[in-house]
Amino acid sequence: QVQLQESGPGLVKPSGTLSLTCAISGDSINSTNWWSWVRQSPGKGLEWIGQINRGGSTIYNPSLRSRVTISIDKSKNHFSLELTSVTAADTAVYYCARLSGGYYYWFDPWGQGTLVTVSS
Amino acid sequence: DLVMTQSPLSLSVTPGEPASISCRSSQSLLHNNGYNYLDWYLQKPGQSPQLLIYMGSNRASGVPDRFSGSGSGTDFTLKITRVEAEDVGIYYCMQALHTPRSFGPGTTVDIK
Repeated sequence: QVQLQESGPGLVKPSGTLSLTCAISGDSINSTNWWSWVRQSPGKGLEWIGQINRGGSTIYNPSLRSRVTISIDKSKNHFSLELTSVTAADTAVYYCARLSGGYYYWFDPWGQGTLVTVSS
Repeated sequence: DLVMTQSPLSLSVTPGEPASISCRSSQSLLHNNGYNYLDWYLQKPGQSPQLLIYMGSNRASGVPDRFSGSGSGTDFTLKITRVEAEDVGIYYCMQALHTPRSFGPGTTVDIK
């Protein structure tokens, strides 16, 4: 059974950098799946942030591309999210999710999510 | 930008009765390969979203057969033949054809 677990600070100061890690169990980050971050805020609903594959190729949401970096660590079987220059608008529950499929990729499963609050 | 809409935004259903949720996209989600790049997710209270339907009409592993997805192009429907108490939550459609992937606003289903 594949499980994903987010971890990282729950509080980030405005203009700071949000950093989260997603630990994968039951699958290898070296598989043919993609690995993704999605966030959920009351104001904007569910928002796809970006995704990465085993080769390190990334696809980002254009609205966040200038501030986002997603990376992988094969030795630790995890992937990470960095979001710079955060503001209160970045306050959200952040989910990591596996993208699996065939003709295209769907989110399955999701991590439990972690709340990140941007506040001084 | 592509816009995903859902209707209704909330739905109160008697157990055992059917329910239907509509999802519409401002652009076609039908790929040249003949598949619709449209998923349905359910977020139960206090939980993360879970996959229900992929490619418009394929049930994910473990999803009861009372759930079905249909539609093509820009109009899609999620149907529950007989709603059960465990089906409460927020249902989201999501398109995966156009970047960025985008979700509908969600439909909240509760039990009467």
